[in-house]
Amino acid sequence: NAGVMQNPRHLVRRRGQEARLRCSPMKGHSHVYWYRQLPEEGLKFMVYLQKENIIDESGMPKERFSAEFPKEGPSILRIQQVVRGDSAAYFCASSPTGRVIYNEQFFGPGTRLTVL
Amino acid sequence: QKEVEQDPGPLSVPEGAIVSLNCTYSNSAFQYFMWYRQYSRKGPELLMYTYSSGNKEDGRFTAQVDKSSKYISLFIRDSQPSDSATYLCAMTEGNTPLVFGKGTRLSVIA
Repeated sequence: NAGVMQNPRHLVRRRGQEARLRCSPMKGHSHVYWYRQLPEEGLKFMVYLQKENIIDESGMPKERFSAEFPKEGPSILRIQQVVRGDSAAYFCASSPTGRVIYNEQFFGPGTRLTVL
Repeated sequence: QKEVEQDPGPLSVPEGAIVSLNCTYSNSAFQYFMWYRQYSRKGPELLMYTYSSGNKEDGRFTAQVDKSSKYISLFIRDSQPSDSATYLCAMTEGNTPLVFGKGTRLSVIA
């Protein structure tokens, strides 16, 4: 039973480029959460999505960041015109279908984004 | 004041020691409390989950929640080198996003 999958595991971008991070939830999970972990910082919530819907984006920066979770395929976190401050580990978590409580989340291995 | 405070350590203990990890919080509406373990360059792994106040035990791990003091603890008995990791506390009101502490880095020395 595969866990939460994220790719790529490492991503290097130059300033101004776009970064696309992908997350495939655990089988049977339709709730996806994205978090960012800056060096020496805890995990910070960014966005919560269900299939084709953004449920809570209270943690998303207002500009350059967007997320989607289409009916088919993985969830994607997109960062446009990346800056050095975007360098961080980005984690995706998923939770079971039909459960809306935020606590039952299973995390992926993360994507480490480095902006040169 | 941050919503969740956690001493980042590092904490270094000898093998077999009892480890105590703690977090304090300011939001009295938090109802669900979790401890995650994160190995270096890996994703967090849920260790313990507690609802409201009280204790919960799972093998060598015990989680305690004191809502009156807004204080939660994780105890690790008979610590092993494989317990060396960063431990993150997290909490939520239930219908709100998880709020994490910064994590405490633990090293268990053989």
